[in-house]
Amino acid sequence: SQTIHQWPATLVQPVGSPLSLECTVEGTSNPNLYWYRQAAGRGLQLLFYSVGIGQISSEVPQNLSASRPQDRQFILSSKKLLLSDSGFYLCAWTSGSVYEQYFGPGTRLTVT
Amino acid sequence: QKEVEQDPGPLSVPEGAIVSLNCTYSNSAFQYFMWYRQYSRKGPELLMYTYSSGNKEDGRFTAQVDKSSKYISLFIRDSQPSDSATYLCALGRGGATNKLIFGTGTLLAVQP
Repeated sequence: SQTIHQWPATLVQPVGSPLSLECTVEGTSNPNLYWYRQAAGRGLQLLFYSVGIGQISSEVPQNLSASRPQDRQFILSSKKLLLSDSGFYLCAWTSGSVYEQYFGPGTRLTVT
Repeated sequence: QKEVEQDPGPLSVPEGAIVSLNCTYSNSAFQYFMWYRQYSRKGPELLMYTYSSGNKEDGRFTAQVDKSSKYISLFIRDSQPSDSATYLCALGRGGATNKLIFGTGTLLAVQP
């Protein structure tokens, strides 16, 4: 069966510091991968998606970037965090033949 | 106008009640429809998905899609305190990217 991992689970970072969040998927190959952010009381905002290694599409211009160095690894990064980057970051995957997305446990980021 | 509208609630019901959660959408290009359940501080969990108008039943849960009215619903029968969570509708247009548009979520509390 497929599983998706995210780490760290919780992160507190000062403004201006760098960020690296990691997501890995097990039990499938060539998944579509997605990064979402969920602010308190708001829905899921799609940040980036990837349909293959090295292929990244950005949905919203912002202070963040994404990379996919391996088939089942998706990384969300920032060089300098802003207060507005605080939120719950979720990684999701889907296979190419179905449309349902499956989410990881999330990373709660607080920028102070 | 947002592509997907969802009543944010909160919705509070007694245990055993029938719960109706709803979303409306504006774009007839949406072809597939999902409901996710999200417990506090956890990633969303896929509950139901359907690709056509009509009803789909799974245990105490029924998903209903009315494409002509651009209206989708999730019914929960015999609601339990363990159903207390935020429920998110998600809609997709199809295509290789499998992107979903999410509602803002409805917070449900089932009182014992």
